[in-house]
Amino acid sequence: DAGVIQSPRHEVTEMGQEVTLRCKPISGHDYLFWYRQTMMRGLELLIYFNNNVPIDDSGMPEDRFSAKMPNASFSTLKIQPSEPRDSAVYFCASSTRPDPGHGYTFGSGTRLTVV
Amino acid sequence: QKEVEQNSGPLSVPEGAIASLNCTYSDRGSQSFFWYRQYSGKSPELIMFIYSNGDKEDGRFTAQLNKASQYVSLLIRDSQPSDSATYLCAVIDSSASKIIFGSGTRLSIRP
Repeated sequence: DAGVIQSPRHEVTEMGQEVTLRCKPISGHDYLFWYRQTMMRGLELLIYFNNNVPIDDSGMPEDRFSAKMPNASFSTLKIQPSEPRDSAVYFCASSTRPDPGHGYTFGSGTRLTVV
Repeated sequence: QKEVEQNSGPLSVPEGAIASLNCTYSDRGSQSFFWYRQYSGKSPELIMFIYSNGDKEDGRFTAQLNKASQYVSLLIRDSQPSDSATYLCAVIDSSASKIIFGSGTRLSIRP
């Protein structure tokens, strides 16, 4: 298995532009998570899906952020319009049920810079 | 707000010594606990999990759990320069199927 695949690896965009981050989870994993990591706030959960259904989006910072999972093999995180404070590394992770011994498998992350 | 607390460090340990990393959590109902290692510029990777009180050993790593004190620790014996990384403590939220991460402790092993 290729693991969790994220694209792009790096994204530089201008303030006000729309940004779309993509994630392909590991086949058979029922849970998909979007995290944001910054030096100041650490690793924050933004939203997670179970069987393609959003379960908890309480971590989504504001309406500028949206996430979709149209099928079991693909998810997107969109920021529109982007702002400099959105600059961070965005990780996607997938898992089976979070049973003991089953942590998450993270993707390589997307480093977003908004200028 | 359920929290996981870690000292941010940096924690500097001489090569060959024991590194001790600590974590406390607020959700008394939590049952599963994890340690992730994150090298600079890389994604977190799972290195240990524990869900019973006591110690769990895996090679040079030992995870310790004390549910009464809501305390989890990670010991790294015979520390190597390759152990230099940020270590994230994570706890399964007892009311939801998600992991809550601490902010991490940066560990530096000096030769």
